Amino acid sequence: GNSVTQMEGPVTLSEEAFLTINCTYTATGYPSLFWYVQYPGEGLQLLLKATKADDKGSNKGFEATYRKETTSFHLEKGSVQVSDSAVYFCALSNAGGTSYGKLTFGQGTILTVHP
Amino acid sequence: KAGVTQTPRYLIKTRGQQVTLSCSPISGHRSVSWYQQTPGQGLQFLFEYFSETQRNKGNFPGRFSGRQFSNSRSEMNVSTLELGDSALYLCASSFKRDSPEQFFGPGTRLTVL
Repeated sequence: GNSVTQMEGPVTLSEEAFLTINCTYTATGYPSLFWYVQYPGEGLQLLLKATKADDKGSNKGFEATYRKETTSFHLEKGSVQVSDSAVYFCALSNAGGTSYGKLTFGQGTILTVHP
Repeated sequence: KAGVTQTPRYLIKTRGQQVTLSCSPISGHRSVSWYQQTPGQGLQFLFEYFSETQRNKGNFPGRFSGRQFSNSRSEMNVSTLELGDSALYLCASSFKRDSPEQFFGPGTRLTVL
């Protein structure tokens, strides 16, 4: 079946530091990959996506590249801000069969950014 | 365009009761998926509805059920509540059944006492 593994957290950084959150996946076929962000007391917001190998998703300074050869989709940001403090989830969607309408999530990584 | 809305936002129930949660998808979206989020198990898929039909179901007991109406609004029901059902229940909508992007509502926080 499908699975997503994220790096262990929590991650604590100073403002303007470089961020990497690792994500690897197991899936058959050609899944679509996502990063979602969850702020305290809120639902999930789609941060970025990539639907095929070598695609780079980007949004609000965050980037992630779909690497099929390493089955990875690592999230990066060059300079984090305090407002980036949140929980980040890597997820995949594998259309077809028993995967319709289902996102498979990693366990989430808590990011805290200090001034 | 309004986002996904969920009602109520917070709910407190006691063991053995039942509860119904509601979700209104983004206008024009026809697929609705439900997830349970807990600290221990993370985000787990409950079920997905498209055009009033359940197309996919996660590994949850039969106490968890749902339905979708002709206007794409969806409800989920949990009967005979257990303490372990305390969770954030998230609804997500997408434009069509095999569209990979899902857009989430704010969730309903259910506490079972």
